Amino acid sequence: AQKITQTQPGMFVQEKEAVTLDCTYDTSDQSYGLFWYKQPSSGEMIFLIYQGSYDEQNATEGRYSLNFQKARKSANLVISASQLGDSAMYFCAMREDSSASKIIFGSGTRLSIRP
Amino acid sequence: DAGVTQSPTHLIKTRGQHVTLRCSPISGHKSVSWYQQVLGQGPQFIFQYYEKEERGRGNFPDRFSARQFPNYSSELNVNALLLGDSALYLCASSREPVRQPQHFGDGTRLSIL
Repeated sequence: AQKITQTQPGMFVQEKEAVTLDCTYDTSDQSYGLFWYKQPSSGEMIFLIYQGSYDEQNATEGRYSLNFQKARKSANLVISASQLGDSAMYFCAMREDSSASKIIFGSGTRLSIRP
Repeated sequence: DAGVTQSPTHLIKTRGQHVTLRCSPISGHKSVSWYQQVLGQGPQFIFQYYEKEERGRGNFPDRFSARQFPNYSSELNVNALLLGDSALYLCASSREPVRQPQHFGDGTRLSIL
């Protein structure tokens, strides 16, 4: 069965430091996609980055990179040079290609950036 | 291009009533999904529609139903509202159901009194 685990309910990081948000997943599918979303206090879900299970290189999008370790079933989000505007909830999500209609989300990590 | 738009932004209902939430996807997106997000939790999948057909359903009671129109917009209907239905309802669209990131609207915050 699909499962996403985010073990860090909350994190505090100093501005300009890098931060890693942990995500592990469980699936029996060989083909799947992993996503990270940011949800500020205003509520909208903002797509950050995507990693396909067959992608050989780790995905990167600006200050965001995904540390994909397939054998360990982990897909950690790395934010470089954190900014005050990065303070938000961050959700890891997965979609199995065999049940492509359904994306499951983790419980989220609340990231707070200190000035 | 406009993003995913949802209406209304806020809604207050009482137990037993029904509600209709609306979603317009990004232009060119044919897949629409609905999620329920209870305070303090991640979104939970409710439905996905693609080309006007239901492609997936989450673990929600039959009080929840949805449909997609020829212009790919969608409605989520909830009957016999319960206090536990209070949540943020998110709509997301993508070009296709697979291997495409979903882009979310700002959500409808539903409060049941």
